[in-house]
Order: sequence, then C-alpha cells, then structure tokens
Amino acid sequence: DAKTTQPPSMDCAEGRAANLPCNHSTISGNEYVYWYRQIHSQGPQYIIHGLKNNETNEMASLIITEDRKSSTLILPHATLRDTAVYYCIVSALIQGAQKLVFGQGTRLTINP
Amino acid sequence: DTGVSQDPRHKITKRGQNVTFRCDPISEHNRLYWYRQTLGQGPEFLTYFQNEAQLEKSRLLSDRFSAERPKGSFSTLEIQRTEQGDSAMYLCASSVAATNEKLFFGSGTQLSVL
Repeated sequence: DAKTTQPPSMDCAEGRAANLPCNHSTISGNEYVYWYRQIHSQGPQYIIHGLKNNETNEMASLIITEDRKSSTLILPHATLRDTAVYYCIVSALIQGAQKLVFGQGTRLTINP
Repeated sequence: DTGVSQDPRHKITKRGQNVTFRCDPISEHNRLYWYRQTLGQGPEFLTYFQNEAQLEKSRLLSDRFSAERPKGSFSTLEIQRTEQGDSAMYLCASSVAATNEKLFFGSGTQLSVL
C-alpha cells in the first residue's frame, strides 16, 4: 500500500502557482520523498525529491515540514503542459534499489 | 532520443497467446525496472534487475510472467497464456544505482487481451 495521502484532484489557473499537498505521516528517518508526474499516454517523469530540507530545481520546489510528516510540491508558474497526475512517493528500498510505491496521485488540471 | 525505449507501443492479442515486450534502457544505466499500470491506478512494481541479475519480483508477477536482461543491457518481459486481466500498460524504467536514485520511465507498452 502507498504510504502517502493526496487529494484526488486539483485545479489551478494558468500562470499561477500550483501547490500540491501530500501527507506521509509514517515516513521513516531514512526515507526520501519523491514526486513524479504522468502526462496522459506517457510514462511517469521524475520531478524532484528531498529528505529533510526544502529543495528547488528547474521544474519545481519541494517544501517538507520539520516533522517530515507532510510536504508540498510547488509549480511556481503553472502552464497548460503541467496538466498531469502528480504522484507523491515515499521511497522503499529493496536491496538498495528504489521500489516506488505509487498511490493514485493528484490529477492537476491547469485552466486557461 | 536517448531515453528509455519500449517496443511495441501497443499490442492486441487473443486470450491464451504469448506476448513479449522489449525495453531498451538509457545506456550505462545498471538498474532496470518493470511496472504495470491499469486504468485509473498508479503504476505497480513488478520486478527489477541490477545489471543482468533479477533481484526482486513482486507477488503480482505470476509464473506466467518472466523477465530477462541478458548481458545487462535490454530487457524482455514475456507473458505466457495471456488472460484478460493482463490488459494493462507495462512500463519500463532505468536508473543508475544510488541511495536516492531517479527512475527514467519509457512510454510503456499498452497490452489489450481480447
């Protein structure tokens, strides 16, 4: 079972910041939080990941609460191409490899 | 394009037939994963390879399923005696082994079993 909880759907206006929440209250100390997204008819695409500190890259920012029980993915200036299903995943290592356990994700719709 | 390549993109077969899918990972990626995704659900882990060794298999992977990665390069996933419940998108991903590795997914093979 997925170890994260996300809202099933969200809407955001084009050009605005999209803030996607995720709860992961049972996360262990050495587990990372990953975000992937899946655009229709494509495979999932890595966005960002973090352990404790906030992270930012060219795609998004990841804000992790101090107790690490929740996080927020921020797309600062959403475009229509950001419409996708966004998955928040807590990594589970199997013999050192990433066994990503996907939940149902949040379906983000960017409206013009 | 140097991303993960999967072939075919679509496969339609009749129940009881065998099918084989191919995945070409990003070169120099030593890990390769197979996932399965049904409509409206997130991908589910099936199995993974480190180089040519298959190190983990999900209980979802019945004995009708077999995966190989000869020489640690491309991989094949074969389903024998297909059933309608096998209809799904089969996704392949590759990565470089690391504590916080990133997986790069292909576009998948959509299987429809009639």
